[in-house]
Amino acid sequence: RKEVEQDPGPFNVPEGATVAFNCTYSNSASQSFFWYRQDCRKEPKLLMSVYSSGNEDGRFTAQLNRASQYISLLIRDSKLSDSATYLCVVNKGSGYALNFGKGTSLLVTP
Amino acid sequence: EAQVTQNPRYLITVTGKKLTVTCSQNMNHEYMSWYRQDPGLGLRQIYYSMNVEVTDKGDVPEGYKVSRKEKRNFPLILESPSPNQTSLYFCASSSQGLGNQPQHFGDGTRLSIL
Repeated sequence: RKEVEQDPGPFNVPEGATVAFNCTYSNSASQSFFWYRQDCRKEPKLLMSVYSSGNEDGRFTAQLNRASQYISLLIRDSKLSDSATYLCVVNKGSGYALNFGKGTSLLVTP
Repeated sequence: EAQVTQNPRYLITVTGKKLTVTCSQNMNHEYMSWYRQDPGLGLRQIYYSMNVEVTDKGDVPEGYKVSRKEKRNFPLILESPSPNQTSLYFCASSSQGLGNQPQHFGDGTRLSIL
């Protein structure tokens, strides 16, 4: 089983739609979870950390299910500018090294 | 401005010619890391450093060397580059904290080894 698995997509959605991405991780000792956004040929940028109780930042909501080793990202009211690849990132147990998922591609269309 | 700076941004070179990609951060971060990104494989960690003079292998260290003589700098060295090292490389840094600090990435270095 891969360390971090994501549906690669692409997800093509119209503006204003709600879209959800899922991610599973294999290391039960992982403690830190993030969603990063990467635009084409650019560096990854932190979108949001994911906390045990779930957290929201504007139109973005992240959830963590430790029992199922599952992380989700929900984007409401999609904008054209949300088009990007979304990377699920999980730390390797107790250390600081990170495992990156291969990313889920989102295209928001007019 | 807080940033991670990589140089060069683009490099085309030939097999066997030693090269160094520099990485510098101005945030006084303890942790620094190098990744390569290839189509279909995502980001893979090459080496990382927990602090000055402390480095360790990531998932794909073969063919690479690093050093951490100063806190701000973490160069990536390819002693004898080969075509399979053609890739997009990212340097990243973060504060140690409790291991839950996000990483700040440089703009990337696109290497082509002919």
